[in-house]
Amino acid sequence: TQLLEQSPQFLSIQEGENLTVYCNSSSVFSSLQWYRQEPGEGPVLLVTVVTGGEVKKLKRLTFQFGDARKDSSLHITAAQPGDTGLYLCAGTRAGSARQLTFGSGTQLTVLP
Amino acid sequence: DTAVSQTPKYLVTQMGNDKSIKCEQNLGHDTMYWYKQDSKKFLKIMFSYNNKELIINETVPNRFSPKSPDKAHLNLHINSLELGDSAVYFCASSQRGQGGQYFGPGTRLTVT
Repeated sequence: TQLLEQSPQFLSIQEGENLTVYCNSSSVFSSLQWYRQEPGEGPVLLVTVVTGGEVKKLKRLTFQFGDARKDSSLHITAAQPGDTGLYLCAGTRAGSARQLTFGSGTQLTVLP
Repeated sequence: DTAVSQTPKYLVTQMGNDKSIKCEQNLGHDTMYWYKQDSKKFLKIMFSYNNKELIINETVPNRFSPKSPDKAHLNLHINSLELGDSAVYFCASSQRGQGGQYFGPGTRLTVT
């Protein structure tokens, strides 16, 4: 059983559509991070959220941390082919600030 | 100016061999990590290490050992390689008090 479950696992959409990826857990996290990974490369940090209810925007990407700090979402507006990649959420738990637990991943494909 | 670099990029070897993967970071970070990414893209922490503390994921076989000659390097030694060790191995680094980890490009290990 994974500590962080992401949904959907796979998502294929047309350019211009909106989408939301979810990251859920029954555990409380002190912070939540989102990464994007492209084929043949390592994950690249997109954002870190630390406060329950926090919302951060990065251009067309909006990240939200749940009030109870057990879940997070990533919303992409007007998706573009360049958004294609594997999106990973990762959390740190209290007392283990250096240890990241990764989610199961969402493979996004944006078709032109 | 690569932030986190790994060598080699690809490693093909036979069962029973001993191999090493090297990692270097030029970010001045105080902590380095090794992750294993399986065929389903799930990223799992293997080790985290700074100059004071080595944290080992209890599921990692003792055939795997990290070796750090200095703060900027954390190499991964693997003894008696097994077929199940085939995966992509990522090195990462971070700095205490700052969010996010920086990942290397990965080493794809294939054991035949």
